Amino acid sequence: DIVMTQTPLSSPVTLGQPASISCRSSQSLVHSDGNTYLSWLQQRPGQPPRLLIYKISNRFSGVPDRFSGSGAGTDFTLKISRVEAEDVGFYYCMQATQFPQTFGQGTKVEIK
Amino acid sequence: QVQLVQSGAEVKKPGASVKVSCKASGYTFTGYYMHWVRQAPGQGLEWMGWINPNSGDTNYAQKFPGRVTMTRDTSISTAYMELSILRSDDTAVYYCAREKDLDLDYWGQGTLVTVSS
Repeated sequence: DIVMTQTPLSSPVTLGQPASISCRSSQSLVHSDGNTYLSWLQQRPGQPPRLLIYKISNRFSGVPDRFSGSGAGTDFTLKISRVEAEDVGFYYCMQATQFPQTFGQGTKVEIK
Repeated sequence: QVQLVQSGAEVKKPGASVKVSCKASGYTFTGYYMHWVRQAPGQGLEWMGWINPNSGDTNYAQKFPGRVTMTRDTSISTAYMELSILRSDDTAVYYCAREKDLDLDYWGQGTLVTVSS
């Protein structure tokens, strides 16, 4: 199975400041069809996960543009340009390039 | 709008089985795979498997050999996940999630399954 490793595991951030989360995969996530199936999920406290970013850098419907994704191959990054109170929660990267799908351990974003 | 509504919380004894439902609305049920993901208390996300609602084909994670069964009833746009021979470490919130082009784009609200003697 592909192992997804996120850093940091906890990210205390000041409101209005940026935040960045890294996700590294144990193998390249480039699919045979040319796409890279790396997505980012947000899970607010007490809520189900919600898709934020798919295929590295595409924002899902309704996701604010302060969220952005980047990367290639085995290294990926989720950035929040200016953290707001509603961004508190856990963030997970997920790969679907190779069966079985696997998730990162999660990164907790909290306000300082 | 796409909605996935899951059945309510369950409490089961070790060795029993549980069946969780996920009713889909707002889209063509048979057009998208349905996945199941679970989350133990205070832990991360664990993928369990998927079902193709059109054909009934399934694919399960190797962690659940012979214990998980995913089915569907297309007449009521509902997917089911049954987990048998429950153990205490199966205590978790179970989510269904729709797949679009390998991305899990919509999630159910989750169903807490507690396994306790």
